[in-house]
Amino acid sequence: QSVLTQPPSASGTPGQRVTISCSGSGSNIGDTSVNWYQQLPATAPKLLIYSNNERPSGVPDRFSGSKSGTSASLAISGLQSEDEADYYCAAWDHSLAGWVFGGGTKLTVL
Amino acid sequence: QVQLVESGGGVVQPGRSLRLSCAASGFTFSNFAMHWVRQVSGKGLEWVAVMWHDGSNEYYGDSVKGRFTISRDNSKNMLYLQMNSPRVEDTAIYYCARDIAAAGNGGGAEFWGQGTLVTVSS
Repeated sequence: QSVLTQPPSASGTPGQRVTISCSGSGSNIGDTSVNWYQQLPATAPKLLIYSNNERPSGVPDRFSGSKSGTSASLAISGLQSEDEADYYCAAWDHSLAGWVFGGGTKLTVL
Repeated sequence: QVQLVESGGGVVQPGRSLRLSCAASGFTFSNFAMHWVRQVSGKGLEWVAVMWHDGSNEYYGDSVKGRFTISRDNSKNMLYLQMNSPRVEDTAIYYCARDIAAAGNGGGAEFWGQGTLVTVSS
């Protein structure tokens, strides 16, 4: 049982907009910023979004993040086949004094 | 460019010890916090430990607290994870990751190595 809750799966067709949610609590998302990671099959995770809505250099602007209260969301617009991957949210938890990850969402491009 | 190369994985018996290493290059190692994150095959990511840029603070996930120790040698650009009393459930790919910031409780893991597989089995 992960501290951050994500839906186990999501799907969309090419060109569509998809959102993935991440629910936490006041000791993590409600008190700190959220990161999002993309993990393609058999590869290491890649930072997609940091500080709730900032994109590292090289990440397409099709990817965007938002946060409200104790929840965060990752939106992917103009869905492409290469976006098929696992997506994880993460945040520092002040009560646990450590980082916590969501359980991951497997995105399928139909 | 940032490079993180893990080593030291392999098969270890339950209760024995193992030390993982992570060689960093392409950035000023002493300026950034460093993490270990693991992933059981087919499962999600689990954060293991973080150490501040200067070694002043370290924190651990509950499942490894008291058994694993993170350390770093800024003169050698190396990060380590000492795994004592490993259990079967510690079997996973272990990733070394560089934080966005010097402190380990704000930015989060930015750059990741390719991981090293640890198998705990008798």
